[in-house]
Amino acid sequence: DGGITQSPKYLFRKEGQNVTLSCEQNLNHDAMYWYRQDPGQGLRLIYYSQIVNDFQKGDIAEGYSVSREKKESFPLTVTSAQKNPTAFYLCASKGAGYSNQPQHFGDGTRLSIL
Amino acid sequence: KNQVEQSPQSLIILEGKNCTLQCNYTVSPFSNLRWYKQDTGRGPVSLTIMTFSENTKSNGRYTATLDADTKQSSLHITASQLSDSASYICVVRNSSASKIIFGSGTRLSIRP
Repeated sequence: DGGITQSPKYLFRKEGQNVTLSCEQNLNHDAMYWYRQDPGQGLRLIYYSQIVNDFQKGDIAEGYSVSREKKESFPLTVTSAQKNPTAFYLCASKGAGYSNQPQHFGDGTRLSIL
Repeated sequence: KNQVEQSPQSLIILEGKNCTLQCNYTVSPFSNLRWYKQDTGRGPVSLTIMTFSENTKSNGRYTATLDADTKQSSLHITASQLSDSASYICVVRNSSASKIIFGSGTRLSIRP
């Protein structure tokens, strides 16, 4: 089945540690996105990529980094510079060129501080 | 400022009853409005999309309406089922910035 796979489902970070969240899609979508979801707030865009080897900062990029070496993969690293990383992280993808197409979401990674 | 406001924040209803969720937005220029359903611990799934010229659109027991003049949308759920328990998120696209703005969602709980 085509879809987006995020792993791990749960992740714990120690002080000063960088952690990487995985996002893989087999939908042949060009665009991929990372969002952060906090209780009582709308999804906030961290980074997005419209094409391989290119990505752009979203609204809350500080303390995060990404790479897009393959079309299928868009990993997110939460660095030690992100002082409040506890949240639910969602990865999404979308086919190029059609604004009415929905974003397809993975099932998220919940990150907590140890 | 581009904003999407949803109400109520949470709602509890009995199984079999109907309910209506509201979405008000100030996004301009408007491109489209989408409703997503998000089950606990899962990613959002698209229910329906409304463009400027559409007033009503149905997807099974879900009916979305759009009033582009007042910048309001509603999602009506008919004959609710336990599986309807989820968060419902309204998302509006700004056509000039090619940006989407998420509401904070309505948490719906269906009680047997």
